[in-house]
Amino acid sequence: AQSVSQHNHHVILSEAASLELGCNYSYGGTVNLFWYVQYPGQHLQLLLKYFSGDPLVKGIKGFEAEFIKSKFSFNLRKPSVQWSDTAEYFCAVNADGNKLVFGAGTILRVKS
Amino acid sequence: DAGVTQSPTHLIKTRGQHVTLRCSPISGHKSVSWYQQVLGQGPQFIFQYYEKEERGRGNFPDRFSARQFPNYSSELNVNALLLGDSALYLCASSFYRAYSSGANVLTFGAGSRLTVL
Repeated sequence: AQSVSQHNHHVILSEAASLELGCNYSYGGTVNLFWYVQYPGQHLQLLLKYFSGDPLVKGIKGFEAEFIKSKFSFNLRKPSVQWSDTAEYFCAVNADGNKLVFGAGTILRVKS
Repeated sequence: DAGVTQSPTHLIKTRGQHVTLRCSPISGHKSVSWYQQVLGQGPQFIFQYYEKEERGRGNFPDRFSARQFPNYSSELNVNALLLGDSALYLCASSFYRAYSSGANVLTFGAGSRLTVL
């Protein structure tokens, strides 16, 4: 069965610090990869997605993620975080037709 | 454009009762999926419906059932509620059934928070 592992459950950063959230998945075939974000009091929103092509994908609000097939990874990055990036971030993989498998999430708190 | 709408937003039930949660997809979306998000965990896939037929089912007991109506709205039903069913139930819609197209992504609603006492 597919699984998604997010390495850190809680991350605390100061504003302007760089961010990297780890995501690894277990599936040997073709996958589609996603990062979703849930801001406090809001619903899950798509941050970025990878289907094919350039393994470095750019999303909204300055986020990017790199798909490294050999490492089964899809890490999320942002060069300089803002207080408004405080949220919970979920990595998800689709490899089975019609469902997403989510990681447990990483809660990011940015100190102003 | 209205997003995915879910009702009710919050509800409290007691063990053994049943519950019905409702979802209206984005206009034009034909696929509706249901996810359960327990506190501290990521969402878990329960069902997908496409064109009114069940197209996928996650690892949930038969107490969970769903259906999709001709207008593509959907209901999730849970019978014989257990304490462990307390969770945020998310509905998501998409245009297509599968993810072969980069344009086909899930859009989530705000969820229905169910508390079972």
